[in-house]
This record gives sequence, C-alpha cells and structure tokens, in this order.
Amino acid sequence: EAQVTQNPRYLITVTGKKLTVTCSQNMNHEYMSWYRQDPGLGLRQIYYSMNVEVTDKGDVPEGYKVSRKEKRNFPLILESPSPNQTSLYFCASSNDRTGGSYEQYFGPGTRLTVT
Amino acid sequence: RKEVEQDPGPFNVPEGATVAFNCTYSNSASQSFFWYRQDCRKEPKLLMSVYSSGNEDGRFTAQLNRASQYISLLIRDSKLSDSATYLCVVNSNLNKFYFGSGTKLNVKP
Repeated sequence: EAQVTQNPRYLITVTGKKLTVTCSQNMNHEYMSWYRQDPGLGLRQIYYSMNVEVTDKGDVPEGYKVSRKEKRNFPLILESPSPNQTSLYFCASSNDRTGGSYEQYFGPGTRLTVT
Repeated sequence: RKEVEQDPGPFNVPEGATVAFNCTYSNSASQSFFWYRQDCRKEPKLLMSVYSSGNEDGRFTAQLNRASQYISLLIRDSKLSDSATYLCVVNSNLNKFYFGSGTKLNVKP
C-alpha cells in the first residue's frame, strides 16, 4: 500500500529535550516536506527536500532541522524544543521533482506537546 | 498579510444545496493551485488541482482568476459526506506551498 508513515503519532515532552519525528514514504517520491498546523494559521511549511541531500527552508524553519540521506526518509529534528513548537506536524511527499504540480500525499500527523 | 486567505466559515448548508468557497492569494507569480480536503484531526487529501481554464470533477468545480488572484470551489448537490474543512493551497515559484487556514463546511440533513 502506497503511504507516508510518521512516528511517533503522539508525543509529550519537556522543553529542551531533543527529539526526532520520523517520516518515511514507499512511493519513490523525490519531493518531501514538513508542515505544522496550528489553529487559525493553517498548515505552514517548515522544510522541504527535492532530492537526497537537497533540502531548503520553508516558511517557518526556525528551531527545526531536517536531513535527507535516503530517498524514502525525511526526519524532522527539534534540537531544543520549546512550548511554541507544540503543534500538529505533517510530513508529505510528491512525485513531482519540483513539487509544484503534483499531488502531495500526507502522513497521518504527529501531535507534539512541549511542556 | 497572509499568502493565502480563506473565509473560515463555518458554512452550514442543507443536503442538496450548492455552496461556493473563495480563496485569495497574494503572490502574483504563484504557479500551481489546489483544493485539499481535511477531515477533523486527519491528514489533508487532494480534492482537485485548479487549472487556468477551470475544471470540473463530478459535483465539484474549481476556477482560477489570475487577474484578481483568487480561486474558487463550487460544490453542487451537497452530501453529508462533504462535511469537512476545505484548504486552498498555492505553490509559489520557489517550490514552497502556502495553505489557507481552511473553510469549514457542515452539510446538514
């Protein structure tokens, strides 16, 4: 089954404790992206990647890191989480190398709470 | 100013009604446009892409007006199952995506 998986689905952590949210897709997509969704603000793009070892900042990259060492995986790293990073996070992938014209497939989301 | 703006609603309509949503975007260089549907606490899923000439998919019609920088979605013969939040999405010329905050639709029996 073609899908994007994220882990963990739910996470409660404390300020400053490094964490990683994993994202994996089995569709051989080149374009992958991370979003956060907050009430009233919609989804905002954090980082995206157009291929292995190619990543770039989205609209709200501060406080996040990503890596793309393999085509299928695109982990999101919070080196020192803060309460304002409490949010619902979605990973997405697309078959369009430029990311522009093709459908994005989203993972089920990770609900993160930082206390 | 937000890149993409939508009326949050909610739009409360009876089954069988026709309902229309609009969305405006600020970047005139935007290249691709989409409507996504999101059910409560679930991931967004593509409803339809929006083409310059307008396009239709069953009961759904999408229109793009580049001159006025807005996108519309028309839903005819609303079903209970159409109840969801509809997200307007715009792709800039820098491979970035901008989402509206969504328009909530409630279709009632």
